[in-house]
Amino acid sequence: EVQLVESGGGLVQPGGSLRLSCAASGFTFSDHYMDWVRQAPGKGLEWVGRSKNKAKSHTTEYAASVKGRFAISRDDSKSSLYLQMNSLKTEDTAVYYCASSWSVSYYAIGYWGQGTLVTVSS
Amino acid sequence: QSVLTQPPSASGTPGQRVTISCSGSSSNIGSSTVNWYQQLPGTAPKLLIYNNDQRPSGVPDRFSGSKSGTSASLAISGLQSEDEADYYCAAWDDSLNVRVFGGGTKLTVL
Repeated sequence: EVQLVESGGGLVQPGGSLRLSCAASGFTFSDHYMDWVRQAPGKGLEWVGRSKNKAKSHTTEYAASVKGRFAISRDDSKSSLYLQMNSLKTEDTAVYYCASSWSVSYYAIGYWGQGTLVTVSS
Repeated sequence: QSVLTQPPSASGTPGQRVTISCSGSSSNIGSSTVNWYQQLPGTAPKLLIYNNDQRPSGVPDRFSGSKSGTSASLAISGLQSEDEADYYCAAWDDSLNVRVFGGGTKLTVL
């Protein structure tokens, strides 16, 4: 059974930094693309970025709204995904979901974690 | 404003068939497959339809997806009260090089 468990959310001041983690289990982590998706309170889903699999050299891609401020990394030996968030703004307040690709050959998001809340406020 | 356009709301009575549309462009729906997600209140999204019209195991066959050109649709037949949720379409945009979501459709079962 695929399990994705996020951690690291909390309250941070504008301009601050936070690092989210996602612990994965139930599948071969290194073979899968991994995404971060966020959802502001009462709003829809917004893609943050993704890390491709080991075969694609863990290449990362980002939404324009976070490019240059957020960085996605992963440790395949620990089946873990990370999101380093810097220069945080109030509009980054959201539940952040870790998500994995549906399969090793179909890269759409197939599985989601339960999410972790990040609040950016003074 | 979302790259993919969905109606903000839809409704139906138990047993009815409802459809939710998702409109995009040649750089996303027109050149990529479409996926649909269901988000029940207070929970994480769940994959409902992938690769335009495929259902993961465990998803009832009341749910079906289709795609034509730069638009896609999700149909729910035999509507049930537990189908009340937010529904999102998603695709990869080859021009922007990002994953794009629709704004979401809130389905109400009357």
